[in-house]
Amino acid sequence: AQSVTQLDSQVPVFEEAPVELRCNYSSSVSVYLFWYVQYPNQGLQLLLKYLSGSTLVKGINGFEAEFNKSQTSFHLRKPSVHISDTAEYFCAVSVTTRGAGNMLTFGGGTRLMVKP
Amino acid sequence: DGGITQSPKYLFRKEGQNVTLSCEQNLNHDAMYWYRQDPGQGLRLIYYSQIVNDFQKGDIAEGYSVSREKKESFPLTVTSAQKNPTAFYLCASSIGRINEQFFGPGTRLTVL
Repeated sequence: AQSVTQLDSQVPVFEEAPVELRCNYSSSVSVYLFWYVQYPNQGLQLLLKYLSGSTLVKGINGFEAEFNKSQTSFHLRKPSVHISDTAEYFCAVSVTTRGAGNMLTFGGGTRLMVKP
Repeated sequence: DGGITQSPKYLFRKEGQNVTLSCEQNLNHDAMYWYRQDPGQGLRLIYYSQIVNDFQKGDIAEGYSVSREKKESFPLTVTSAQKNPTAFYLCASSIGRINEQFFGPGTRLTVL
């Protein structure tokens, strides 16, 4: 079974500073990778996804992520954060399993706290 | 506008009562999912359904039940057997093999 590890449960950062949220997964087969954002008391919203092709993926709100197959990582980055980026961020992996289709596995989440 | 709706947004119930959370989607998605989220924690899968009239248990199905009589609807019942039901409940849907999931706004259930 696959697993997803978000290495930091909380990331405090000052406004306009760069940020990286780390995500590692364990799977020996081809995967699809996602980053979701959750604002307080709301559902999850898709930030970006990697399906195939270029390993650098750009998403909404100025976020981007890089797929590194050799390191099984999919870290999320933003060059300059805003107060409004304060939220919970979830990395997720979709892997094809025989008989059950693709199941989505989520990491434990990283709380990004942007300080003025 | 296509999307997923969950109702109500906030729900209060007394101990020992069953309660049903609604989830409706008009995205024509085949698969639907229920997750539970506790404060500061990730998502845990309760039940999922890949086709009408069929559903499977997720990681924490005990104390919950679901039905999938229509493609658009996947209601979740939290029964009195669920020992600690206070949580935020999220419904999602997806289509195709990639399983990109689209989420509803969530229902916050509080047991008094």
